[in-house]
Amino acid sequence: EAGVTQSPRYAVLQEGQAVSFWCDPISGHDTLYWYQQPRDQGPQLLVYFRDEAVIDNSQLPSDRFSAVRPKGTNSTLKIQSAKQGDTATYLCASRPGGNYAEQFFGPGTRLTVL
Amino acid sequence: SQWGEENLQALSIQEGEDVTMNCSYKTYTTVVQWYRQKSGKGPALIILIRSNEREKRSGRLRATLDTSSQSSSLSITGTLATDTAVYFCATDAGTGGYKVVFGSGTRLLVSP
Repeated sequence: EAGVTQSPRYAVLQEGQAVSFWCDPISGHDTLYWYQQPRDQGPQLLVYFRDEAVIDNSQLPSDRFSAVRPKGTNSTLKIQSAKQGDTATYLCASRPGGNYAEQFFGPGTRLTVL
Repeated sequence: SQWGEENLQALSIQEGEDVTMNCSYKTYTTVVQWYRQKSGKGPALIILIRSNEREKRSGRLRATLDTSSQSSSLSITGTLATDTAVYFCATDAGTGGYKVVFGSGTRLLVSP
């Protein structure tokens, strides 16, 4: 069974540019997460979905970040106008339903904003 | 913040040694999860311990949980070079494991 896939694996931008990250979760997983992981820190939740619905986006900087999962399968995270402080690895994870089910992470997209 | 220690810790040991990593948390959790993240990869769950368990073992891994002191530890016995990774503990923020909050982690380097 294929794991969580993400693309691109790397992105380098100038400040003010836009970028999109794409995630394909494990088939059958109804819950999908986006995390931001700055260098030498733990992953920090940005947003998560159950099917196509946003469950929690309280940590998503809504002025510049947006995330969608229109059909409850793949998802896209977009940064409209990147800042140097957005430099981090962006991780996607998915999990099946049920309490305490394991989250499966993709390899991440490493973003550098110059 | 949920976590008592905010900065990434670093440990460097020789293959074959045993190692213990600790974390403390500030608010109630029903489970503590330990994740391993190897270079260039996403985190992977290696052991989960529930609030009604004091100890959980899986192969060379042993996790403990002390709910009275709100702390957890992960021990690895007979380390291998392939155990080199960053180890994170994570709590569930009382959501049935749907919303997981990660600590800052421990970077473990095991030299052959």
